[in-house]
Amino acid sequence: DQQVKQNSPSLSVQEGRISILNCDYTNSMFDYFLWYKKYPAEGPTFLISISSIKDKNEDGRFTVFLNKSAKHLSLHIVPSQPGDSAVYFCAASADTGNQFYFGTGTSLTVIP
Amino acid sequence: EPEVTQTPSHQVTQMGQEVILRCVPISNHLYFYWYRQILGQKVEFLVSFYNNEISEKSEIFDDQFSVERPDGSNFTLKIRSTKLEDSAMYFCASSRQRANYGYTFGSGTRLTVV
Repeated sequence: DQQVKQNSPSLSVQEGRISILNCDYTNSMFDYFLWYKKYPAEGPTFLISISSIKDKNEDGRFTVFLNKSAKHLSLHIVPSQPGDSAVYFCAASADTGNQFYFGTGTSLTVIP
Repeated sequence: EPEVTQTPSHQVTQMGQEVILRCVPISNHLYFYWYRQILGQKVEFLVSFYNNEISEKSEIFDDQFSVERPDGSNFTLKIRSTKLEDSAMYFCASSRQRANYGYTFGSGTRLTVV
């Protein structure tokens, strides 16, 4: 039951350029979304969040966009840096529950 | 910065044996979670725990699994009679408020069942 989908398993971007990671969801009850970054042999690290009352949230180089009608969110990283190379997961939850549903992740490689 | 600590980092066990995965959540957090990630697959929710009881669990979290907060600081996941398909990374997480404010994850325990 893939409620959260990340259709691009990998992405390569030149240093300094924009990285755009995409995520789609199917459950209209989801109202809170997170992006996590994960390095090998480490746990996921919280990056940025957005609630359904907003369509954009910005934190430094990271911006998350939410399109509720399309059930789509994206993470923009500008400018991309080699240290951003990691696997990025989007996750979604509904206010009625405690769990997050994760996508399968997108492996970002930023090329120096 | 406060961390969620998990031990051991890697556990190898024989099929049919019981394992206990340990976690020390952040001290002022009230909600605790276990997730797992089978190699190459997505991170999957197992269970959430609040006020000394399970608040939510997934279909994966069957009678083979149990959680406990034995001493007010540790949060454990016990897997009875392990199966080969239990091999995965197990992540503990904690949060101060309900889930939709985000969690802090531990670095995980890699469980290998042979």
